[in-house]
Amino acid sequence: QKEVEQNSGPLSVPEGAIASLNCTYSDRGSQSFFWYRQYSGKSPELIMFIYSNGDKEDGRFTAQLNKASQYVSLLIRDSQPSDSATYLCAVYGGATNKLIFGTGTLLAVQP
Amino acid sequence: GAVVSQHPSRVICKSGTSVKIECRSLDFQATTMFWYRQFPKQSLMLMATSNEGSKATYEQGVEKDKFLINHASLTLSTLTVTSAHPEDSSFYICSVGGINMNTEAFFGQGTRLTVV
Repeated sequence: QKEVEQNSGPLSVPEGAIASLNCTYSDRGSQSFFWYRQYSGKSPELIMFIYSNGDKEDGRFTAQLNKASQYVSLLIRDSQPSDSATYLCAVYGGATNKLIFGTGTLLAVQP
Repeated sequence: GAVVSQHPSRVICKSGTSVKIECRSLDFQATTMFWYRQFPKQSLMLMATSNEGSKATYEQGVEKDKFLINHASLTLSTLTVTSAHPEDSSFYICSVGGINMNTEAFFGQGTRLTVV
């Protein structure tokens, strides 16, 4: 079982729709959770992070964390073509005390 | 957030030669930096943790004699890929931060290494 799992996609959504990106993790002791966006050929950039169960909103982005289910998601409202990128879920803490990345989900927003 | 500068952004080298990649933390004194490698359509894989003034800590399966890391100051870490081979062709990225649950990682621009 991979430590951090994401559906590789591509996830295709029309412009203006809500994009829902999901991530599961295996280490129940994980403490913090990050979403990064990576454009092709570029390095990742942080979108947001979440530590506590529930929702955290920042502009068009909402992160949701459910530690009991070991599940974290990212919702992107009013998706724009410029949101098209690979979204990486990263998990910190637990046994490794390192930042572990998922393989990423490719999002394609269709104009 | 921290500003991290990585150089060069792209490098092509001949098989058997060595390549040095620099990672600078421009506005943050980093006692720890991280080096990742990313193959196409794969995740970032942590290669090693660079520690200022001491030896780097390598992840399992990463050859320390092939990937030499030097962290001589609080703002500079270097990764040297020695005797590079085509299978070393990859995207190498450094980061600062992310050392505990309250800090996010900030990444350099990455270096695309192609070994021919």
